[in-house]
Amino acid sequence: DGGITQSPKYLFRKEGQNVTLSCEQNLNHDAMYWYRQDPGQGLRLIYYSQIVNDFQKGDIAEGYSVSREKKESFPLTVTSAQKNPTAFYLCASSISSTDRVNYEQYFGPGTRLTVT
Amino acid sequence: AQSVSQHNHHVILSEAASLELGCNYSYGGTVNLFWYVQYPGQHLQLLLKYFSGDPLVKGIKGFEAEFIKSKFSFNLRKPSVQWSDTAEYFCAVLSYNTDKLIFGTGTRLQVFP
Repeated sequence: DGGITQSPKYLFRKEGQNVTLSCEQNLNHDAMYWYRQDPGQGLRLIYYSQIVNDFQKGDIAEGYSVSREKKESFPLTVTSAQKNPTAFYLCASSISSTDRVNYEQYFGPGTRLTVT
Repeated sequence: AQSVSQHNHHVILSEAASLELGCNYSYGGTVNLFWYVQYPGQHLQLLLKYFSGDPLVKGIKGFEAEFIKSKFSFNLRKPSVQWSDTAEYFCAVLSYNTDKLIFGTGTRLQVFP
């Protein structure tokens, strides 16, 4: 059963702590993405990776870090430097965007992070 | 900067009413266009997409969208909505000079029986 898994579904942390969100895909996709979803703001791109061992900053990368050591995995760390970390985080994956005909992003179920 | 605008933030309809959700984008070059839907408690999933060719695109669950290049628009339509269409709808654009999908702010649709 192919898809994207994100764990945990809900995460609670104290302010000042770093936290890592997991994202795994078994779709054999080259590209993976992290978005943040806030009410009324849509999805905003945090980081993306088009190939293993490479990643780029998205529009709101400050306070976040990622790694892409394996094709299947793209964990996101929310650091204590992120000023407003409470949000719903979505991971996605896709084939290479050079294949425009078949391109689409597939999304995981999301992780809701609450920092108090 | 490239952007996507969804002017309807919250739409409330009765079952069997017709639906049209607006989407406009700012990029002038070649684009791919998408509509995604997020049903309550479910994954974001693709409703339909435009790559090229016929500007009228049909998607799942009776939805369709029309690409009007001169207006930079990709409006989503459904002739008769159902209660099960209650969800949040996102328009997105993939431009040919970036590899990033730019999303609109979303439209929350509520359908009452």
